[in-house]
Amino acid sequence: AQSVTQLGSHVSVSEGALVLLRCNYSSSVPPYLFWYVQYPNQGLQLLLKYTTGATLVKGINGFEAEFKKSETSFHLTKPSAHMSDAAEYFCAVRNAGGTSYGKLTFGQGTILTVHP
Amino acid sequence: KAGVTQTPRYLIKTRGQQVTLSCSPISGHRSVSWYQQTPGQGLQFLFEYFSETQRNKGNFPGRFSGRQFSNSRSEMNVSTLELGDSALYLCASSLAAGRTDTQYFGPGTRLTVL
Repeated sequence: AQSVTQLGSHVSVSEGALVLLRCNYSSSVPPYLFWYVQYPNQGLQLLLKYTTGATLVKGINGFEAEFKKSETSFHLTKPSAHMSDAAEYFCAVRNAGGTSYGKLTFGQGTILTVHP
Repeated sequence: KAGVTQTPRYLIKTRGQQVTLSCSPISGHRSVSWYQQTPGQGLQFLFEYFSETQRNKGNFPGRFSGRQFSNSRSEMNVSTLELGDSALYLCASSLAAGRTDTQYFGPGTRLTVL
C-alpha cells in the first residue's frame, strides 16, 4: 500500500524566509505526486504535481518541489514566504493500480504560519 | 469555467438521521471522488465514480454510499448518522479516472452531527 509522511505538523517562518515543507512517500511503483494547499474554510487547491519527466516541478504562487527517487521525497519549497502563504499544505500520492486505482492518499498535512 | 460546486455548504443533523450531499463537477469532467476530512484521521478516500459506475471504495462502513448520474453530478448518502461522522466532506472531479488526471476539489460540505 502506498503512504505519505509529512514531517512536521506545524512549520513557522518569517515573512521573506525560505519555506521548506517535507514529504516522503512509500510506493511500490513509480509514484505520481501532488501538493495541495487548503485555506481556512475552503477546499483543496492544486499547487503542483509530478508525473514523469523533469524532477523539479514548478507550481503556482512561486512554489516548487523536487522529486528525489533515491530519497523517496517530494519536498515543497518557496524562496521567500509571504503572509498569504499561511495555510495547510497536503502532500499526496496517486495509487498506481490494484483495487484502489486512481485514489489519492494524503499525508497528515503541515500548517504553515508566516510571521511578519 | 465554473469550478466544483457542493451543496449544501453547512449541515447540522442529529444522531440516527440520514443525510445526502451533492456535488456538481467541472463541466466535461466525468470522474468524481469523495473524501472525508477530520482533525483526527485527516483526509480519507470514500469512493470514486466514473461514468455512473463506482470504481473504487475506501474503508468506510456500508452506511456511506454514493451514486453518479448521467450528467456526472454525484451524491453521497450517510445513513444512521453517528457523532464521528462530523467532518468536512470534499468532492473532487477530474476529466477521467487515470493516474495523470488532476483532481479539482470543491469547497466541501461541513457536516455536524449532534
